[in-house]
Amino acid sequence: DVKVTQSSRYLVKRTGEKVFLECVQDMDHENMFWYRQDPGLGLRLIYFSYDVKMKEKGDIPEGYSVSREKKERFSLILESASTNQTSMYLCASSAQYEQYFGPGTRLTVT
Amino acid sequence: EDQVTQSPEALRLQEGESSSLNCSYTVSGLRGLFWYRQDPGKGPEFLFTLYSAGEEKEKERLKATLTKKESFLHITAPKPEDSATYLCAAYTSGTYKYIFGTGTRLKVLA
Repeated sequence: DVKVTQSSRYLVKRTGEKVFLECVQDMDHENMFWYRQDPGLGLRLIYFSYDVKMKEKGDIPEGYSVSREKKERFSLILESASTNQTSMYLCASSAQYEQYFGPGTRLTVT
Repeated sequence: EDQVTQSPEALRLQEGESSSLNCSYTVSGLRGLFWYRQDPGKGPEFLFTLYSAGEEKEKERLKATLTKKESFLHITAPKPEDSATYLCAAYTSGTYKYIFGTGTRLKVLA
């Protein structure tokens, strides 16, 4: 079974803090993704990566950056957290078409 | 503009009352149509991939079908444990991105 893990289920941070969200997949997938999910807005793509050290902007990259130093690990970085970044963050990986999601990180910025 | 629309937004069924969820899509170059189940506070769980019109996939009480404009998720004799939000997503050759609908919240009453 594909397994995607995320470093935290719940996280509370203060405005202005630098926040790191980690995602690890164990199926040797080439592709990894970061989404945020908000009520009524669905899943929105922040960044994705098709290879190690490669990254592409999604639909809402402002205020975020990513890092992919190893194939199995994809990190999302909030450079200076703001209250409008309070959300559910979901990581996914895929080999070809089907995406497999992690359990999510509920981030609250106060 | 590529778009995926799900209906209804919410659905309440009695146990055993069969129904269908709709996913309409307008995308350029559909490469795959995906269905996911999402429980509250968790990441989406992959259910089905459909690649071409006329294709059908089944799993327990769920059956997914695809036409050139929409996909249906048919739920036969649902049970309370089928209560969840069901998401559909389209993967397009135009943008090589996944476009998600906002989901249908299903509640099955005992």
